[in-house]
Amino acid sequence: DIVLTQSPGTLALSPGERATLSCRASQTVTTSYLAWYQHKPGQAPRLLIYGVSVRAAGTPDRFSGTGSGTDFTLTISRLEPEDFAVYYCQKLGNSPESFGQGTKLEIK
Amino acid sequence: EVQLVQSGAELKKPGESLTISCKTSGYFFFSHWIAWVRQRPGKGLEWMGRIDPSDSYTNYSPSFRGHVTFSADKSVSTAYLQWSSLNVSDTATYYCARRVVIQSTRYYYYYMDVWGEGTTVSVSS
Repeated sequence: DIVLTQSPGTLALSPGERATLSCRASQTVTTSYLAWYQHKPGQAPRLLIYGVSVRAAGTPDRFSGTGSGTDFTLTISRLEPEDFAVYYCQKLGNSPESFGQGTKLEIK
Repeated sequence: EVQLVQSGAELKKPGESLTISCKTSGYFFFSHWIAWVRQRPGKGLEWMGRIDPSDSYTNYSPSFRGHVTFSADKSVSTAYLQWSSLNVSDTATYYCARRVVIQSTRYYYYYMDVWGEGTTVSVSS
């Protein structure tokens, strides 16, 4: 089974700064099968990006995804106050469709 | 509007059985799989498995196989997650999500685009 490892575990930044979140897979992940989600306490997770780089409906363009093979990155170009949350990558396709352990983005 | 509405919070004792539900609306129930995701207190998201509502074909994560059961009732466009015997370690919030597959000119894209609000299950003696 493919294991996704996200880093860092916690990232402390200030509004306006750039955030770079990493997701590394134990095996090659098909590009169109990699998604990113944002999760805030008390809310349902929200799909941000699918297919590594395709923004979901309603995702602001300050969010971008890149990568291929085993290394993937979610970048938030200029942090807004509402961006502070936990972010998960997920590999879909064959079962299991596992998540990474998450990166908590917190206000510095 | 696509919606997944989950049943309310549950407080149960160890050994009890439980079924929680995920009622869908706004789309053709057979068209997309439903996935179940667990979040234990203070922990991350865990993929439990998925069900194809068209034929009730299921996949379970190895971590959950044999402990939970997924089902779907086409007549009410609802998916279910069932335990026959709860453990304290089942205390968590459980989410259902619509798993989408779309075909572009070159690729099939997979993602989970609409989520239920979560059902909190508390198991304590």
